[in-house]
Amino acid sequence: QVQLQESGPGLVKPSGTLSLTCSVSGDSITNNNWWAWVRQPPGKGLEWIGEVYQFGYTNWNPSLRSRATMSADRSKNQVFLKLTSVTAADTAVYYCARSRIMADRGVGLDYWGQGALVTVSS
Amino acid sequence: DIQMTQSPSTLSASVGDRVTITCRASQTIDDWLAWYQQKPGKAPKLLIYKASTLESGVPSRFSGSGFGTEFTLTISSLQPVDFATYYCQQYQTYAYAFGQGTKLEIK
Repeated sequence: QVQLQESGPGLVKPSGTLSLTCSVSGDSITNNNWWAWVRQPPGKGLEWIGEVYQFGYTNWNPSLRSRATMSADRSKNQVFLKLTSVTAADTAVYYCARSRIMADRGVGLDYWGQGALVTVSS
Repeated sequence: DIQMTQSPSTLSASVGDRVTITCRASQTIDDWLAWYQQKPGKAPKLLIYKASTLESGVPSRFSGSGFGTEFTLTISSLQPVDFATYYCQQYQTYAYAFGQGTKLEIK
């Protein structure tokens, strides 16, 4: 059974850096899948942040590209998200998810972590 | 960027009803569309991908259709466990945008 677990600080100060880790079990990030980050502000809808492949290739939501970094550690089977210069608007539940690949194309997010609430506040 | 618009935003229905949710893309996405169900406090769950392919383990009362810019998610006979929020997501072009969601409420 594929499981994803987000971890990281639940509180970040304004102008600081949000850092999250997604630990994957039941699958290897070296398999042919991309690993995505999605966020959801309280009471609002879903926003696709971006996705990372095992070798560090990334695809981004342009609205966050200037502030965000994603990476992967194949030896630890983990993927990472960093978001700099955060404001209250970055307060959200952050999910990592597996992007299923079929015929070299993503088709949907088939496994999700339970989500990590990150609050930006002083 | 491709924008995804769902309608309605809220839908009130009763157990046993047949309901349809619509998702429109601002430009053609062929059949690169996924549907998700989300319950309060939980992560979304993939229901359908490639517009009409049912994810393994999802009940057959769920179905999806459409191509190009207009898509529908249909639940043939609502069950109590189906009351949730539903999202579409396009997979044609980065960024893989979601619709704003449709909340399915008990009438």
